[in-house]
Amino acid sequence: EDQVTQSPEALRLQEGESSSLNCSYTVSGLRGLFWYRQDPGKGPEFLFTLYSAGEEKEKERLKATLTKKESFLHITAPKPEDSATYLCAVQARGSARQLTFGSGTQLTVLP
Amino acid sequence: KAGVTQTPRYLIKTRGQQVTLSCSPISGHRSVSWYQQTPGQGLQFLFEYFSETQRNKGNFPGRFSGRQFSNSRSEMNVSTLELGDSALYLCASSLGASQETQYFGPGTRLLVL
Repeated sequence: EDQVTQSPEALRLQEGESSSLNCSYTVSGLRGLFWYRQDPGKGPEFLFTLYSAGEEKEKERLKATLTKKESFLHITAPKPEDSATYLCAVQARGSARQLTFGSGTQLTVLP
Repeated sequence: KAGVTQTPRYLIKTRGQQVTLSCSPISGHRSVSWYQQTPGQGLQFLFEYFSETQRNKGNFPGRFSGRQFSNSRSEMNVSTLELGDSALYLCASSLGASQETQYFGPGTRLLVL
């Protein structure tokens, strides 16, 4: 059974204080790993897709990396508007487009 | 390009009733997936439709069903509602090829009393 574990569950940072969120996964053949951002009461907003170990992608203050067992979402010099829940999901080979999600990391960036 | 739209946005029902939720995918997207999000269980996969055919189904009872139309719009139905069905129901669309991104709609918030 595919499993995704995210840590920490919650993270409070001061504005400008860089940090990383972790996503550990167990999947029977990884087709893709996805990062989403979700604001309260809204649907998840797509951030990144990673397909193979060693791959990295960046967007503004965010950088996602992937190894064979985990992914990291690095947040550099965060701003209060980066406050949200960050979700990690995996898509396994042979599962069509079914995503298995982690429980998320709730990030709060204080001004 | 317009995003995924879901209607209605909010819904209140009573136990035993049934409900139908609607999803319009991004133009050109042929795959629609449905997810249930609750505080206790997080985001869980319900089912996926591609070219009007159900391709995959999650671990939910038969009370949960769906369909897709020729224009790729999709509906999901929940019959005999239970209190535990209260959740945010999310629809996601993708082009339909393998190994590609799903884009989510704003969701329908269902409250069962």
